[in-house]
Formats: sequence, structure tokens, C-alpha cells
Amino acid sequence: QSVLTQPPSASGTPEQRVTIACSGSSSNIENHYVYWYQQLPGTAPKLLIYRTNERPSGVPDRFSGSKSGTSASLAISGLRSEDEADYYCVAWDDSLSAVVFGGGTKVTVL
Amino acid sequence: QVQLVESGGGVVQPGTSLRLSCGASGFTFSHYAMHWVRQAPGKGLEWVALISYDGGKKYYADFVKGRFTISRDSAKSTLYLQMNSLRTDDTAVFYCARDDGFGDNFLGGVDIWGQGTTVTVSS
Repeated sequence: QSVLTQPPSASGTPEQRVTIACSGSSSNIENHYVYWYQQLPGTAPKLLIYRTNERPSGVPDRFSGSKSGTSASLAISGLRSEDEADYYCVAWDDSLSAVVFGGGTKVTVL
Repeated sequence: QVQLVESGGGVVQPGTSLRLSCGASGFTFSHYAMHWVRQAPGKGLEWVALISYDGGKKYYADFVKGRFTISRDSAKSTLYLQMNSLRTDDTAVFYCARDDGFGDNFLGGVDIWGQGTTVTVSS
């Protein structure tokens, strides 16, 4: 049972917009930065969004992050076949004094 | 370029020990907090441990407290994970990762990942 809750799967057709929610609490998401990672099969995770809504250089602006209260979300607009991957949200948790991960969301492009 | 390279993985029996290493290059290792994150086969990412930039603070996931120890050697730009009393459910790819913060201000998120080293615990 992950501290951060993500849907196990999400899907969309090419060019559609897909949103992945990440639900937490006041001890993590509400008061700390949220990070999002993309993981393709058999590869190391890749930083997609840092400090809640910042994109590293090289990450397309089709990816965006946001937060409201105890929930965060990752939006993928203009969905492409190469976006098929697992996506994870992450934050620091004050109550646990630990980094907490979401369980991951598998995105499928139909 | 900024790089993290893990080593030390292998196949070990339950109850034994293993030490993982992570060599850092391309940045000033002593300025950053560092993490270990693992991923069991077919499962999600799971945070293991964090060490502050100077080694003065260490944090662990509940499932490894008392069994795993994170440490660092800034002179060698190397991060370590000493794993004792290994169990079959410790089987995973272990990733070394750099915290996104700087100095004493770690943020909990990571910006750089290594390629991972595989640990298999089996009798």
C-alpha cells in the first residue's frame, strides 16, 4: 500500500490529453515539492517534472505538473506512442521522515 | 557529464550480506544528498534510504531499518549501501540517485539516476 495513491492505469488515443492524479496528505504533497518520473520497460526512471511544475531541459512541453492541496497531477497533452510507460509521483513525507512514492500508473496509447 | 554508476550486485543466499557501491562523476559529490531506490521484479519503485550531503543525517524506509546502512565517502565520490540479513523479498534492481536539493537543503526528489545493479536473494 503506497502512501501516495495513483490509478494503476490510464489510456488515451494519439493526440488526446491524459491526466494522472497523485493523492497524498498534508504531511507530503501539500507541503512539499512533487516529482514525476517516467520509466520505459527495462530502463532506469527518467525525471519528467521536478519541484511540482518544472520541466528539465529536453522534456517536451506536452508534459506538465500541478498541485492543489493534498493532490498533484501530471498531464500529458498530444499523447504519442512513445509516451507508453510507467509514471510515478514522489514527495518527501514529514510524518514518516521518508521519501514516499506512488504505486505507479501505466499509460497505454490506444 | 553527470553520471552515477552502481556496482556490487549479485546472487546471494538468504541471511547473508552484500555491499553496493555507486561512483559519482561530473558533479561535486559532497554538495548533494544521495538516495538508494529499488524495484522488485514486476513491481513499482520503492525508496530505500537517504543520506545528507555531509553524511550527518540518514533516513531509511521502515522495511530496511536495522538491516541496511547507507554511507558515503566524499574523497572517493562514492555512495554505499551495506545490506545485512538479506531476505528473498529484497530481490530487486537497486538504483543510486542524486537529490534535487543542494547542501543541507535536500528536497526528497531525485534528478539524476544510475543505471541500476541487480540483487538476487535466493537459496
